[in-house]
Amino acid sequence: EDQVTQSPEALRLQEGESSSLNCSYTVSGLRGLFWYRQDPGKGPEFLFTLYSAGEEKEKERLKATLTKKESFLHITAPKPEDSATYLCAVQAQTSGSRLTFGEGTQLTVNP
Amino acid sequence: EAQVTQNPRYLITVTGKKLTVTCSQNMNHEYMSWYRQDPGLGLRQIYYSMNVEVTDKGDVPEGYKVSRKEKRNFPLILESPSPNQTSLYFCASSFLGNTEAFFGQGTRLTVV
Repeated sequence: EDQVTQSPEALRLQEGESSSLNCSYTVSGLRGLFWYRQDPGKGPEFLFTLYSAGEEKEKERLKATLTKKESFLHITAPKPEDSATYLCAVQAQTSGSRLTFGEGTQLTVNP
Repeated sequence: EAQVTQNPRYLITVTGKKLTVTCSQNMNHEYMSWYRQDPGLGLRQIYYSMNVEVTDKGDVPEGYKVSRKEKRNFPLILESPSPNQTSLYFCASSFLGNTEAFFGQGTRLTVV
């Protein structure tokens, strides 16, 4: 059974204070690992897809990395508008387009 | 604009009264799915569809039905809602394969 565990559950940062979110996974053959951002009362919004260990992707203050067992979402010099819940999901090679999600990390960035 | 549209956004209903939540996408995606999101449990898949007339159960299908008569629409049906189906529901769509999913804005359902 595919499993995704995210840590920490919640993270509070000061504006400009860089940090990382963790996503640990077990999957029977990784097809892709996805990061989403979810704002309160809204649907998840796609950020990145990573396909193989060693891959990295960046978007503004966010950088996602992938190893064979986990992924990190690094946030550099965050701003209050980066406050959201960040969701990690995996797609297995044997599961078609199905996504298995972690519970998310709720990030708060204080001004 | 590419989007997934769910209706209604909010719904309060009584136990046992049949309801349907609609979902429509304009991106010609083959794959559509329904999730429920509960505190401490994250997003869990209810049903999915790989194409017209092709549907299958996800992780938590009990008490739900779906249909896929047209490519763009994927309604979620609760024939006899119960209070444990009170949740936040999301519809999502994507192309088949390892491509990103697009989510609707969500439907907050309360069953009393």
